[in-house]
Amino acid sequence: ELKVEQNPLFLSMQEGKNYTIYCNYSTTSDRLYWYRQDPGKSLESLFVLLSNGAVKQEGRLMASLDTKARLSTLHITAAVHDLSATYFCAVDQGGSEKLVFGKGTKLTVNP
Amino acid sequence: NAGVTQTPKFRILKIGQSMTLQCAQDMNHNYMYWYRQDPGMGLKLIYYSVGAGITDKGEVPNGYNVSRSTTEDFPLRLELAAPSQTSVYFCASSRQAEQFFGPGTRLTVL
Repeated sequence: ELKVEQNPLFLSMQEGKNYTIYCNYSTTSDRLYWYRQDPGKSLESLFVLLSNGAVKQEGRLMASLDTKARLSTLHITAAVHDLSATYFCAVDQGGSEKLVFGKGTKLTVNP
Repeated sequence: NAGVTQTPKFRILKIGQSMTLQCAQDMNHNYMYWYRQDPGMGLKLIYYSVGAGITDKGEVPNGYNVSRSTTEDFPLRLELAAPSQTSVYFCASSRQAEQFFGPGTRLTVL
């Protein structure tokens, strides 16, 4: 059974600082997704990582995937308040197009 | 394109009542999904469909039923609602593995 763990679950950081969110998963997969969710809203797709070593960047966010370590990271550079949200990683179960989600990381960026 | 749409946005049910959550997509995606999200948790898959006429159970299917008569529509039926079904329900569709989510239905069972 595929399990997806994110850490930390809660992250409070100051504007301008850097931090990394980690996503570990328990079984082989080469497809990993990062989503953002604002309070009371739906999920917004941030990154789709489809191969070992994949790295994608959008603004202050950069995501990477190491399929051998079963680990993805979401790195935040010089955080701003607008990045406050909950971030989820999700892993595809062996190419089935069924996703297993982590519990999410609630990020709060303080001025 | 409207993307993935869901109705209703909010609903309060009494224990034992039934209802159907509607989901439609206009992107001609074959894959569609229903998830539930409980407070402070990630999403859990209830049912999914790989095309019209084909559905299968996800991680938490008990208490729910689905049908897929067209590519566009994927309704979720709750029979005999229970307080444990209080949750936010998201429908999604996918193309080439990337899933696109609807706005959600917030359901409360009292």
